[in-house]
Amino acid sequence: NAGVTQTPKFRILKIGQSMTLQCTQDMNHNYMYWYRQDPGMGLKLIYYSVGAGITDKGEVPNGYNVSRSTTEDFPLRLELAAPSQTSVYFCASSNNRAEQYFGPGTRLTVT
Amino acid sequence: QQQVKQSPQSLIVQKGGIPIINCAYENTAFDYFPWYQQFPGKGPALLIAIRPDVSEKKEGRFTISFNKSAKQFSLHIMDSQPGDSATYFCAASSFRNAGNMLTFGGGTRLMVKP
Repeated sequence: NAGVTQTPKFRILKIGQSMTLQCTQDMNHNYMYWYRQDPGMGLKLIYYSVGAGITDKGEVPNGYNVSRSTTEDFPLRLELAAPSQTSVYFCASSNNRAEQYFGPGTRLTVT
Repeated sequence: QQQVKQSPQSLIVQKGGIPIINCAYENTAFDYFPWYQQFPGKGPALLIAIRPDVSEKKEGRFTISFNKSAKQFSLHIMDSQPGDSATYFCAASSFRNAGNMLTFGGGTRLMVKP
């Protein structure tokens, strides 16, 4: 199993551009999450999903959108990128109240 | 407010020392308290976790101490090694949370000197 995979690893965006961060898990987990991690800070939840077709906002959802059409995929969409969205983005998945498995992250810079 | 406060922000110990990282929470509905370890350039990985029905849990050199009345829990690393140098995050979640969401502390950057 590959676990949780994320693409791209790095990306530089200009202000106002849009992009989609991809996340795929092959563990058949119901729950999936998107976090952002700013330098020297903890992880903040952006959006989460409890299953295909069901998504909900986390702590910092503004400027982002998600969809969950399949169990495996949970893409994060950034519309009109802003410098405040410069961060490292982590996708995670879980199937119970125990471990969340994290992907390797996408480092995004908006200039 | 669902907050988890973590201290210290950074910690330097000599090899063989016992670093201690502390976390405090406010939400009494929290019932699962994991610790995650993150190496530079990698995603966090679960290290050890505890539920409030026990006061201590050990896994190898890592121990969680839990004080339910004080709403505090801590991570102790016995006989610390340079390879333990990483950022450690405490977290908490509640059974009432339908999404199994974790609330993370701010992280502690640990350096273990040889």
